[in-house]
Amino acid sequence: QVQLQESGSGLVKPSETLSLTCAVSGYSISVGYYWGWIRQPPGKGLEWIGSISHDGTTYYNPSLKSRVTISVDTSKNQFSLRLNSVTAADTAVYYCARLGTINLAMLNWGQGTLVTVSS
Amino acid sequence: EIVMTQSPATLSVSPGERATLSCRASESVSSNLAWYQQKPGQGPRLLIYGATTRASGIPARFSGSGSGTEFTLTISSLQSEDFAVYYCQQYNNWPLTFGGGTKVEIK
Repeated sequence: QVQLQESGSGLVKPSETLSLTCAVSGYSISVGYYWGWIRQPPGKGLEWIGSISHDGTTYYNPSLKSRVTISVDTSKNQFSLRLNSVTAADTAVYYCARLGTINLAMLNWGQGTLVTVSS
Repeated sequence: EIVMTQSPATLSVSPGERATLSCRASESVSSNLAWYQQKPGQGPRLLIYGATTRASGIPARFSGSGSGTEFTLTISSLQSEDFAVYYCQQYNNWPLTFGGGTKVEIK
């Protein structure tokens, strides 16, 4: 059973960088699949942030592309999100997920972590 | 990017009744569409992928149909645990995009 767990700072100051990590258990990231980040502002819908393949190929939401970096650390079996120059609009619950390969549905999700941007 | 539009925004249904949720894509996504269920305080759960295939462990009362630009999620007989928000998502093209969601509430 694949499990994902987000971790990172829950409070980030405006203009600083949001950093989150997703630890994966039950499957080796280096073997396959895509891995991704999705966010949900309080009371709103889901927004895809970006995804990374097992070999490091990345895809980003154009609306966030200039500020986002997703990377994989196969030695720790985890992947990470960095979002720089954050504002209050980046306040959201951030989820990590495992996506299929040909089928890019989000097969498994982490429980989510709330990140608040505030001074 | 492909815009996904869900309707209605809110659906009021009595337990035991059928619920029909719609999702429309701004251009064809073939059958590359998924449905998710999200309950308060929880992360989403995959229900349907490939427009019609139930994910592992999903009850048979959930069914998906459609292709191209028009899709439907049907819950044949609503159970108490089915009252939640449902999202569709296309994965035919990058960027991946979600619909705005349909809240299924108790009538």
